[in-house]
Amino acid sequence: AQSVTQLGSHVSVSEGALVLLRCNYSSSVPPYLFWYVQYPNQGLQLLLKYTSAATLVKGINGFEAEFKKSETSFHLTKPSAHMSDAAEYFCAVTPGGGADGLTFGKGTHLIIQP
Amino acid sequence: DAGVIQSPRHEVTEMGQEVTLRCKPISGHNSLFWYRQTMMRGLELLIYFNNNVPIDDSGMPEDRFSAKMPNASFSTLKIQPSEPRDSAVYFCASSLGEGAGANVLTFGAGSRLTVL
Repeated sequence: AQSVTQLGSHVSVSEGALVLLRCNYSSSVPPYLFWYVQYPNQGLQLLLKYTSAATLVKGINGFEAEFKKSETSFHLTKPSAHMSDAAEYFCAVTPGGGADGLTFGKGTHLIIQP
Repeated sequence: DAGVIQSPRHEVTEMGQEVTLRCKPISGHNSLFWYRQTMMRGLELLIYFNNNVPIDDSGMPEDRFSAKMPNASFSTLKIQPSEPRDSAVYFCASSLGEGAGANVLTFGAGSRLTVL
């Protein structure tokens, strides 16, 4: 079985500041890990994915995440927050390989202060 | 491609009524997933299909819920009878089902269900 834990249901940062959203995973096999973003009244959009290649993964909109096996973490970062980054962010995990669906964390609501 | 298309976008119904949610996956995608999103429970996988065949329905909450995929371009999620606790946003997602894109889900905009 696999699961993800997102620390902090709400994160508030100032525009231009570093964004750090935390995700820890649990998986009995090497995992594939994902970050998705959800804007109000919309579906989820893929930000980036880790599938056992490079541990530092770059995604869209300037976001990146680093897979750290020793810490079972896959934190999402962005050097400089923009107002348009305000949204709900979800970390997700699946056992590597097949299309068995993703297990999502509870989400982190990112608030950008002007 | 128009993406994953869900209908209706909003549904308001009364307790006891039948609800049918519809989904058209991306053409060429072999896997289809139904998720439910609530404030309390977050995103839950209800059921998924590979090549139109249900693979895992362990997330379906009760016998009142059923899902079908009669062909590669259409799926339904039915709730009969509906109850207020079924109020949620229901998402359909699809993926290639194999290869590098096997795990990359593309989501529809969701169907917001309110049961009074």
